[in-house]
Amino acid sequence: GQQLNQSPQSMFIQEGEDVSMNCTSSSIFNTWLWYKQDPGEGPVLLIALYKAGELTSNGRLTAQFGITRKDSFLNISASIPSDVGIYFCAAQNYGGSQGNLIFGKGTKLSVKP
Amino acid sequence: NAGVTQTPKFQVLKTGQSMTLQCAQDMNHNSMYWYRQDPGMGLRLIYYSASEGTTDKGEVPNGYNVSRLNKREFSLRLESAAPSQTSVYFCASSIIAGELFFGEGSRLTVL
Repeated sequence: GQQLNQSPQSMFIQEGEDVSMNCTSSSIFNTWLWYKQDPGEGPVLLIALYKAGELTSNGRLTAQFGITRKDSFLNISASIPSDVGIYFCAAQNYGGSQGNLIFGKGTKLSVKP
Repeated sequence: NAGVTQTPKFQVLKTGQSMTLQCAQDMNHNSMYWYRQDPGMGLRLIYYSASEGTTDKGEVPNGYNVSRLNKREFSLRLESAAPSQTSVYFCASSIIAGELFFGEGSRLTVL
């Protein structure tokens, strides 16, 4: 079946560093989304992308919908301690059933000791 | 605004017991979902309801049943709990496909 491959699985940040993560698939999608999950909470939608090549920002976060429609990237600039959490990519084909949204396994962001 | 509210937040069951997880949303969303989250597995869809009166199976429906009681409420029932159902369960709702609003989760342990 379809699956999303997120990398890296985990990473450590130091305050002020820029962070990059990505999500790839062998399947084509026409919607890509990025969610963040804080410890003990449910995921929260950060950015939704609906057009191949689209670059969208939300504060210090920037996400891109890959031109091949098989990947997406999320960048965080000048990281701060509250950026810690798990970031999930998700993808679906718009117009299909509501049940065809799939999630990656997440990138866990931690603070360097 | 409460958003998506799940109850209970924590539950411990013995193998074979039954229970129902409750979910309610106050955003007038048409679609509601139940996911489970296990370490290293991401979020997997159990059941969803595209609109009031309809329910459909997701990726991992075995061992679960759901009821869309009305537009606000969507419950998940475990008829005979098994240790493999130990997980964190999330309810979510949406009005735009893919743009989900999640509850805080229900942490279930089956002994």
